[in-house]
This record gives sequence, structure tokens and C-alpha cells, in this order.
Amino acid sequence: SQQGEEDPQALSIQEGENATMNCSYKTSINNLQWYRQNSGRGLVHLILIRSNEREKHSGRLRVTLDTSKKSSSLLITASRAADTASYFCATDDNTDKLIFGTGTRLQVFP
Amino acid sequence: AAGVIQSPRHLIKEKRETATLKCYPIPRHDTVYWYQQGPGQDPQFLISFYEKMQSDKGSIPDRFSAQQFSDYHSELNMSSLELGDSALYFCASSPRRDGELFFGEGSRLTVL
Repeated sequence: SQQGEEDPQALSIQEGENATMNCSYKTSINNLQWYRQNSGRGLVHLILIRSNEREKHSGRLRVTLDTSKKSSSLLITASRAADTASYFCATDDNTDKLIFGTGTRLQVFP
Repeated sequence: AAGVIQSPRHLIKEKRETATLKCYPIPRHDTVYWYQQGPGQDPQFLISFYEKMQSDKGSIPDRFSAQQFSDYHSELNMSSLELGDSALYFCASSPRRDGELFFGEGSRLTVL
């Protein structure tokens, strides 16, 4: 069954705007990770946030984690056309497997 | 820097045939994962290995099997192929069991 559900499924914005994607999950976790995937390519790790962390930054990325609500958000600030991709959250549900959510397709128009 | 290498990149098979995908993880990564991604779908976890032993199993059909060899490369064997097996198959490796995954570029399997 799906561990992560993402919202929205698709998002279209203009360059320079911020993009926010949300992820909800079902079980307890050790960490939550965000990945990016260009069409037909391999996934690329963006950021990992541990269950005892609430917020993490990496460049233009900001991730929050609310374990009480079992949710996370990914904020991309000052978006660029090159940010166009699918974004997935993934959780480990306290096992060795990393389960991916349904993904958000982000389109950034120049 | 070395990345995860997958071969072949593209594979076309007929129904009921057998296919083998290979994965060469990043050196010194002791964990390997296999994922299946259908068109427009999220990656589905198939199986993982830690130090050459199977560590977890997901929605992998009985027709599929995988193993990790002494040199840490892994192979995914798929038999009695069905049309629904057409997908991108990703291998990923990680330097630790709860860390980030490094993905290969995938093997695209088409079953006709």
C-alpha cells in the first residue's frame, strides 16, 4: 500500500515563484527523504530529514517535518525552469525499504 | 565520481521470455535496492540487499528473483515475462541502511 501521498499531483508556476509540495505518510519513520526525477531518468536525492528534526534547508530547498501529523513539505524558492521535474517523498517505515509517494509533477514556465 | 551502473539500458522481450538486469553499485556501498516504475507511476520497491544478504522484500512477483554477488553487484532475474512487466527498473545503492539512495539511470524493459 502507498506509504506516502503527495499533494498536489501537479503544479504549474512561473519562474521566480515559490513551489510547495506536501507529503503525508502512514507509519512511524526514522527519516523522510525527498527525491527529484526528470522524465525517464534516475531519481536524485535532494534532502533527508530525520524524525527528530523539524526543519532542514539546502540551498533553495526547505523541508519541514511534522511527525504528529505524519506530514512533510518541500518548498523550492525562486524556482527556475530547470526545476521542472517530478518530486517524490520517501519514507522508511522503520524498515530497510524506502517507500515512495505518488509524486508531484512540477512545471516551471520561463 | 562513480555512479550506479545498470545494464542493459534498454531491453525488448517477448511474452513468456526471461530477462536479467544487472546493477553495479557505487564502491563501498553495502546496500542495494531494486525498484520498478511503470509509466506515470511512483517507484515501487521490489527487494533490497545488505552485505549480500536479502534484507527486505516488497511487491516482487514470484516470477522475479534477485541476488547480490560477492563483488556486490546485483542481478534481477525475471521469468515468464508479462506485458505488465514493461517498466523502468531502477537499482539504487546506499552507504548505510537508513541513508540516502543513489540511483542508476534505469533499465527500460519492454515486453511485446
